[in-house]
Amino acid sequence: EAQVTQNPRYLITVTGKKLTVTCSQNMNHEYMSWYRQDPGLGLRQIYYSMNVEVTDKGDVPEGYKVSRKEKRNFPLILESPSPNQTSLYFCASRETAIYEQYFGPGTRLTVT
Amino acid sequence: DQQVKQNSPSLSVQEGRISILNCDYTNSMFDYFLWYKKYPAEGPTFLISISSIKDKNEDGRFTVFLNKSAKHLSLHIVPSQPGDSAVYFCAAKKEGNMLTFGGGTRLMVKP
Repeated sequence: EAQVTQNPRYLITVTGKKLTVTCSQNMNHEYMSWYRQDPGLGLRQIYYSMNVEVTDKGDVPEGYKVSRKEKRNFPLILESPSPNQTSLYFCASRETAIYEQYFGPGTRLTVT
Repeated sequence: DQQVKQNSPSLSVQEGRISILNCDYTNSMFDYFLWYKKYPAEGPTFLISISSIKDKNEDGRFTVFLNKSAKHLSLHIVPSQPGDSAVYFCAAKKEGNMLTFGGGTRLMVKP
C-alpha cells in the first residue's frame, strides 16, 4: 500500500529538549516536504527536499532542521523546541512533475 | 500576509444539496490550484486540481471553477453526502515547487 508514515503520532515534550519526527514514504517519490497546521492558518511549509541531499526552506523554517540522506526518509528535527512550535505536523511526498501530494497522518506536538 | 484565503471557516449543507466552497488568492503568479480534503486524525488527501489555463475541471461529484480575473477559485460538490463532511483546503502553486494553502473550510453535511 502506497503511504507516508510519521512517528510518533503524538508527542508531549518540554522546552529545549531535542526531538526528531520521522517520515518515510514507500512510493519512490523524489519530492518530500514538511508542513505545520495551525488554526486559521492552514498548512504552512517548513522545509522541502527535491531529492537526496537537496533541501530548501519553506515559509516557516525557523527553529527546524531537516536531512535527506535516503530517498524514502525525511526527518524533521527540533534542536531546542519552544512552546510556539506546538502544532500539528504533516509530512508529504510527491513525484517531481506532479503537484498532487500524499500526506502522512500527522504528528501532534505539544511543547510545554 | 496570506496569499490564499478561505473566508468561510465553516459551511453547513443539507444532504443532496450543493456545497460551494470558496477560495480567493492575491498572487497572479499562481499557475496551478488544488483542493484537499481532511478528516479528523488523518492527513489531507488530494481531491481535484486545475491549471490556470483552464476555467473548469470536473471529477464525478466535484467540480472546480477558476476565475482568474477575480482571482477566485470555488469547489462545487453535487450532490453533497454526509461522508463529504470534512475540512477542505485550497492550495496554489506558482513557478517552482511550493504550495501555499488557505486556512481551510469545515463542511458539515446534514442527513
